[in-house]
Amino acid sequence: ETGVTQSPTHLIKTRGQQVTLRCSSQSGHNTVSWYQQALGQGPQFIFQYYREEENGRGNFPPRFSGLQFPNYSSELNVNALELDDSALYLCASSMRGGLTDTQYFGPGTRLTVL
Amino acid sequence: QKEVEQNSGPLSVPEGAIASLNCTYSDRGSQSFFWYRQYSGKSPELIMFIYSNGDKEDGRFTAQLNKASQYVSLLIRDSQPSDSATYLCAVRGGAQKLVFGQGTRLTINP
Repeated sequence: ETGVTQSPTHLIKTRGQQVTLRCSSQSGHNTVSWYQQALGQGPQFIFQYYREEENGRGNFPPRFSGLQFPNYSSELNVNALELDDSALYLCASSMRGGLTDTQYFGPGTRLTVL
Repeated sequence: QKEVEQNSGPLSVPEGAIASLNCTYSDRGSQSFFWYRQYSGKSPELIMFIYSNGDKEDGRFTAQLNKASQYVSLLIRDSQPSDSATYLCAVRGGAQKLVFGQGTRLTINP
C-alpha cells in the first residue's frame, strides 16, 4: 500500500461525455502526476501538478485538464471522450526535490469508453 | 527511436534461476532510473531506483546502471513464481515526468 488513493475504481462512459477522476496523495507528498496506460503499454505521462499549478505536460490534447487542491489532492478531467481514451489512469504522488523524487502510484481508475 | 526501450518478452525463467531484465534510453541527460513491477490488473509498484553508475542491491534485486552505454538492467536472484509480472523501466531527466518503456513480461516456471 502506497497511501495513494484513487476514485472511482472503474468507470464506463459513452463517447462525447465528460469524466472526472480523483486522486489523494500520500501524506507528506506535494506533487501529483497523472499517467494513461493503454493495454499492453507502459504508462504515458499526461501532466503533473505542484503547488496547485501545472508543472509539465505530455503529448495530450487540451481536453485533458486537471486541478490540484490545497491539500495536494488532484483531479483529472477529460472532455469529449473518445474510444481511444479507454485505459487505466494512474495517479502518482511524490515529494518534489532531490535526485530521486520517487513517484508512488495509486491503484488506478479503469475507464471504458463505449 | 523510442525514448525508453525494453524487450517486451515474454521472458521465461525457471524457479531459482536469475532473471535479467534490460532497458536502454535515448536521452543522455537522464538522471534517475526506476524499476516498477506491475501484476496483471494492478498498478505499478516501485522495486528500486538508481542514479549512480554501477550496481545497487536490495535483497534479491540488483539494479545496474551504465550511463555511457545508456543502459539499465534489473537482476532478480533466486526467482520465485511470485516474481511473475510485467517489469517497467522508467527514466527521469531534467523534467519531472517519468518516461516508461513498454514493459517486459516475466514468467517464472516452477
